[in-house]
Order: sequence, then C-alpha cells, then structure tokens
Amino acid sequence: DGGITQSPKYLFRKEGQNVTLSCEQNLNHDAMYWYRQDPGQGLRLIYYSQIVNDFQKGDIAEGYSVSREKKESFPLTVTSAQKNPTAFYLCASIGSTDTQYFGPGTRLTVL
Amino acid sequence: QKEVEQNSGPLSVPEGAIASLNCTYSDRGSQSFFWYRQYSGKSPELIMFIYSNGDKEDGRFTAQLNKASQYVSLLIRDSQPSDSATYLCAVKIPNQGGKLIFGQGTELSVKP
Repeated sequence: DGGITQSPKYLFRKEGQNVTLSCEQNLNHDAMYWYRQDPGQGLRLIYYSQIVNDFQKGDIAEGYSVSREKKESFPLTVTSAQKNPTAFYLCASIGSTDTQYFGPGTRLTVL
Repeated sequence: QKEVEQNSGPLSVPEGAIASLNCTYSDRGSQSFFWYRQYSGKSPELIMFIYSNGDKEDGRFTAQLNKASQYVSLLIRDSQPSDSATYLCAVKIPNQGGKLIFGQGTELSVKP
C-alpha cells in the first residue's frame, strides 16, 4: 500500500533532550512538509523540502532541524532549543495534483 | 493579520441539514484552495480542492470559490453525525514550493 508513515505515534521527551520524529513515504513524491498543531489551532509549517538534499525553513523553524538524504525520508529533530515542543506533529507530501496528503502524526509530550 | 481565517465554531446543525463552512484569505494571488476534515486525535484528510471560481460538487460536498471576494466555502448537504469533526481550510501560497497556509479550523457538530 502506498502512503505516508510516521513513527512513533506517541513520544515523550525529557527537558534538555533532542528527539527525532520519523516520516517515510512510498508515493514517489518530491516535496515533503512538517507541520505542528497545537490544541484548537490550525497547522503551522516548520520545514519543507522540494528535492533531496535541499530544505527550507517554514514559519516556526526555530528549535527544529531536518534532513533529506533520501526521497522517501524526511526526519524532524526537535532540539532542546525548542522551549515548548508539546504538540501534534504532522508530516505531509505533495503529489502531482498539487494536493498535500498527511501521515497519521506523532504526539510529542514533554515530561 | 491572519492570512486565512475561519470561524472557530462550534457550528451545530441537526442531522439532515446543510452545514455551511466559510473561509476568507488575504493573498489575492492564491490559486489553489483545499478543505480538509480532521477527526479528534487524527490527521487531516482531504475532502476537496478547488481552483476555479464557482462551485465544485463531490457527493454531499460542494466547494464554492469567489476570488474577487477572496472567499471559499464548503457546504455539506444531508449532514450526518459522522460529519462531526473540525474542518480546515488551506490556501496555497504562490511560488513558495507548494506551501499551504491553514486556517484555525471550524468545529462542526451534527446532532442526531
């Protein structure tokens, strides 16, 4: 089955710890995106990548880092510099119809 | 000023009624508009996209776009309790790599 997978589904972070969220897609999509969603809020763009080995900051990139070494994978690292990381993190990719499709999400909680 | 605005709701309609969800946007150059449905605790799923002025129908859903008024809406006919969710409006920003700007979402509750 084609789709976008994210892991883990739930993640707990201690203060001062870096954590990495996985996003994989087998849709052969070029562009991939990371969003953050806080309760009762819309989605805010963290980073996006249009091709391998290239990525751009979104609206709220501070405290986050990404890499795009393979077309299928776009991992997001939440660093200790992100002071309020508790949120729902969504990965998306964009297909030929210019439409973004989302993975199931990772819910990150700071302990 | 927010670039994409929606009424946060909650919007409550009785089962079988028409639900009307509205969205305004600020960038006149925007060309592509999307409606996503998000159930509590789940990721957004695409309902419809619309590019041209006018109406686009898909089953019980109709998207309406008026670029002159910078307004896009979603109508849900014969609303069902299973339609109860948050509906997100998203607008594609021109020449920014497919970047979407999302509204804060409208919570819809369909009462049996």
